[in-house]
Amino acid sequence: GNSVTQMEGPVTLSEEAFLTINCTYTATGYPSLFWYVQYPGEGLQLLLKATKADDKGSNKGFEATYRKETTSFHLEKGSVQVSDSAVYFCALSLEKLVFGQGTRLTINP
Amino acid sequence: NAGVTQTPKFQVLKTGQSMTLQCAQDMNHNSMYWYRQDPGMGLRLIYYSASEGTTDKGEVPNGYNVSRLNKREFSLRLESAAPSQTSVYFCASSEFREGIYGYTFGSGTRLTVV
Repeated sequence: GNSVTQMEGPVTLSEEAFLTINCTYTATGYPSLFWYVQYPGEGLQLLLKATKADDKGSNKGFEATYRKETTSFHLEKGSVQVSDSAVYFCALSLEKLVFGQGTRLTINP
Repeated sequence: NAGVTQTPKFQVLKTGQSMTLQCAQDMNHNSMYWYRQDPGMGLRLIYYSASEGTTDKGEVPNGYNVSRLNKREFSLRLESAAPSQTSVYFCASSEFREGIYGYTFGSGTRLTVV
């Protein structure tokens, strides 16, 4: 079946640190890939997406590249801010959206 | 504002009680979904509806029923609530455009079963 595995959390960083959250997937087919973010007490917001191999999704300083050869879609940001503290979900879509377990990120000033 | 509207936002039930979670979207999307979110487990699909008049089981359907009342509305019913159904429930809708599914989520319903 289709599945997504994310880096275990929680992750705690200092402001301006470099962020990587790993995400790998298993899929029977050629999925679209997504990163969603959930801020405290809120619903899910789409952060970025990619539809085919070597596509790079980007938004708000975050980036992720669709790597078909390694079945990965790692999330990166060069300099995190306190306001980036949230739970991040990697997901794939082949008609239905399948989520990873989420990674809680805390950024300290 | 266009989007997905869920009601209620919060609910406390006693074990064995029933209730229906309501979801409506005004974006004319064909597909709608119900997910539950539990700590450390991400979001898991309960039921989905690919189009008006059709529903299918997702990963964790036991203890739930759904109704796709029309294209706009997709409700989730708990017939006899159990503490294991304490969770945050999200409704979503989607459309396929330009080679990708675009999903919109509601703000969630926090359900506690005591």
